[in-house]
Amino acid sequence: ETGVTQTPRHLVMGMTNKKSLKCEQHLGHNAMYWYKQSAKKPLELMFVYSLEERVENNSVPSRFSPECPNSSHLFLHLHTLQPEDSALYLCASSEQRTTEAFFGQGTRLTVV
Amino acid sequence: RKEVEQDPGPFNVPEGATVAFNCTYSNSASQSFFWYRQDCRKEPKLLMSVYSSGNEDGRFTAQLNRASQYISLLIRDSKLSDSATYLCVGRDYKLSFGAGTTVTVRA
Repeated sequence: ETGVTQTPRHLVMGMTNKKSLKCEQHLGHNAMYWYKQSAKKPLELMFVYSLEERVENNSVPSRFSPECPNSSHLFLHLHTLQPEDSALYLCASSEQRTTEAFFGQGTRLTVV
Repeated sequence: RKEVEQDPGPFNVPEGATVAFNCTYSNSASQSFFWYRQDCRKEPKLLMSVYSSGNEDGRFTAQLNRASQYISLLIRDSKLSDSATYLCVGRDYKLSFGAGTTVTVRA
């Protein structure tokens, strides 16, 4: 079983759809993250949760809504996305906010 | 100014060669540094942490120069499987990723 699991691996959605990305970590970590990676761009931090509390929101549009019901699970709810939101969305976790992060395999999202 | 800057490359090297590249960081508050490796269309994976005294892991050597605020990675005896994008990462209260340096090892 991998340490950080993301589902789905691929998602195609229309601009009026609502969908959710799921992340689960089996490492006993206290911090979880959502990153966005667009083609040929660096990883962009979207949200940080530490002990289930959101501690950072990097000016992400409200059409992205995170949820962290417990320390092992993280969701990203998507609503009325734009084509430019098409990207690889990566979840990561770390033992603490000061230690290295481990990534899930990502969800490749295409908005049509 | 980006927090972490890297030469995007690509560095094209033959098998067995040594390849080295740097990254610079602007946030002097960064406490920890890492190199991650990312294969095409895959997630980043931790390659190694970078310690002030420099550290080695097999064919990989990482160095940190706090005075000049740069980190380096050297790969000796390159293998075809070393072809990837290498991400430089600094951390204070969050991870800051560079855009990556692409290395291609050819037979």
